[in-house]
Amino acid sequence: QKEVEQNSGPLSVPEGAIASLNCTYSDRGSQSFFWYRQYSGKSPELIMSIYSNGDKEDGRFTAQLNKASQYVSLLIRDSQPSDSATYLCAVRGYGSARQLTFGSGTQLTVLP
Amino acid sequence: KAGVTQTPRYLIKTRGQQVTLSCSPISGHRSVSWYQQTPGQGLQFLFEYFSETQRNKGNFPGRFSGRQFSNSRSEMNVSTLELGDSALYLCASRPFQFDQETQYFGPGTRLLVL
Repeated sequence: QKEVEQNSGPLSVPEGAIASLNCTYSDRGSQSFFWYRQYSGKSPELIMSIYSNGDKEDGRFTAQLNKASQYVSLLIRDSQPSDSATYLCAVRGYGSARQLTFGSGTQLTVLP
Repeated sequence: KAGVTQTPRYLIKTRGQQVTLSCSPISGHRSVSWYQQTPGQGLQFLFEYFSETQRNKGNFPGRFSGRQFSNSRSEMNVSTLELGDSALYLCASRPFQFDQETQYFGPGTRLLVL
């Protein structure tokens, strides 16, 4: 079982819709969770970080964390064509010394 | 603050050669991590350096090595290049001070091995 798994995609949504991206992780001791966006040919850029159970909102983006279910998600409201990218889920275990582990990414296409 | 910088941005080498990539972290960040990204394998962790010491290591052969200098700048070396080493090599930095801290990526070095 991979340490961090994401829904395989690709995912297509119409402009203005809600895009839902999901991620599960295997290390129950994980403490820090991140969503990165990566445009084709570019490096990953941070969208959201979340550390506590529940929801965290930032503009059109909402991250949701459920540690009991070992599940983290990203919702993108009012999706725009500029949101078309690969979204990477990343997880770090307890303690700053632990490395960041990435999922394989979900490719999102927002159709105009 | 300036972001993470990587040099060179593009590189073409032939099989059997070696290559050295450089990374300068964000000012104040003391940890540098290196990743290899390919279309088939995704983002794979190579190693992480802090205080000039390798702290974490991924599952790559010994041809891949790195080091960190006292100013936190880091270099990565790949010896005896193979065609499969063609990839985007990403460097990322973080403070390595707090439990909850974010890692930021540089623009990457795209390596093509012919």
